[in-house]
Order: sequence, then structure tokens, then C-alpha cells
Amino acid sequence: DIQMTQSPSTLSASVGDRVTITCRASHSISTWVAWYQQKPGKAPKVLIYKASSLESGVPSRFSGSGSGTEFTLTISSLQPDDFATYYCQHYDSYPWTFGQGTKVEIK
Amino acid sequence: EVHLVESGGDLVQPGGSLRLSCAASGFTFSNYWMSWVRQAPGKGLEWVANIKQDGSEKYYVDSVKGRFTISRDNAKNSLDVQMNSLRAEDTAMYYCARLQGTSGWYRFDCWGQGTLVTVSS
Repeated sequence: DIQMTQSPSTLSASVGDRVTITCRASHSISTWVAWYQQKPGKAPKVLIYKASSLESGVPSRFSGSGSGTEFTLTISSLQPDDFATYYCQHYDSYPWTFGQGTKVEIK
Repeated sequence: EVHLVESGGDLVQPGGSLRLSCAASGFTFSNYWMSWVRQAPGKGLEWVANIKQDGSEKYYVDSVKGRFTISRDNAKNSLDVQMNSLRAEDTAMYYCARLQGTSGWYRFDCWGQGTLVTVSS
């Protein structure tokens, strides 16, 4: 199985900060990665797919990059609505797996 | 508007069975792969199963193989998962999700609100 390891597990940041979350895959997975945002008590919401494609309706401050085994999600200027937990997920081969999550907290 | 509504979650004893359902509306259900994703209390997301548009292909995470069965009824716009031999570690919020995209461009673009399964004696 392909393991997805996110870092950091928790991130403290202020409104306006540039934030980067990293996800490393245990094997090369080309660009078959999606990123999700989840707020407490809510279902996840897709932000990015195929590593760098922005989902329709998602603000352009979110961007994704990477290929192979290392991927990043960047928020260019953190907004109050962005404090949440973020997950990467691969769909290279079954079983699909998610990273353990990165919680973005208010500094 | 796309809607996915899960039901069937409950408290069940270890070794017991439960059937979850997901009612879909607002889109052509038969055109999409569908999935179940779960989240244990306070934990991260775990993909559980996928089913192809016509039900001819099904994939499961290893931990549920042989115990869970995903199915769909395109005439009723419904997705189910039959869960047998339930274990404490199956305790989670179970989400129904629509899988958008073709090969290489996948993402779960629509999610239900979830239904809670608790396995405990």
C-alpha cells in the first residue's frame, strides 16, 4: 500500500500568512493526488486534484504542486475561513489512502 | 443542486451487521463512480470502497474486504454498503461521496453529511 505522510501535523499561522503543507508518498505516484479541506463537524471539500488542478469555485489563493513522491498545498494569503484541517489523498492504485491531516490553527 | 443523504447509522454490537444507504439527487447518478469514506472519531479520513457506474467493478480497503459489500441501484439513485462482522475499529462517521473525473483526474467532489456507526457492547 502507498502511504501518504503529511507535515506538519499542526501549523499555527496568522491571517495573511503564506502557508505550505507537504505530503510525501511512499512510492512514486505521478500526479495522482488530491487535497481536501475539512472543518469541524462538516464533510470534506475538494480543493485540488491531479496535484495542481484547482477545483471549480475554490479561491485562487489555494494552489498545489509536485509529482512523484513530494507534493505541496500552498495558501498564498491565509484567510479567516481557511482555519481547518487539510488532507492529501492519492489515487494512483488501490487502496487509495489519505494523509493523516494537517490542522491549521490561529496563531 | 447535487445532494447525497446517508442513512442507516446506528449503535451495533461487535459481530453484528448494518446496512447504510445513500440517496442521491440533482445529478445523473448512473454516470458516476461512487464511494464510501469513513472517519473514526477524532481521526483522519479513510477511503473504504468504490463502485463503478454499472456496478461491475468494486474495490475495497483491505480492512473491510470480505465483510463489507458496496452496491448500487441506478433506478433508485441509491448507493448502499452492507457491513457484516462489525468490529470496534469500524466505529466511524461514514460518508457517501461522488467520484468526479476520468482516469487520472479523480476527486471526491460531492459528499453527504455522514451517518454515524458505533460498534460497542
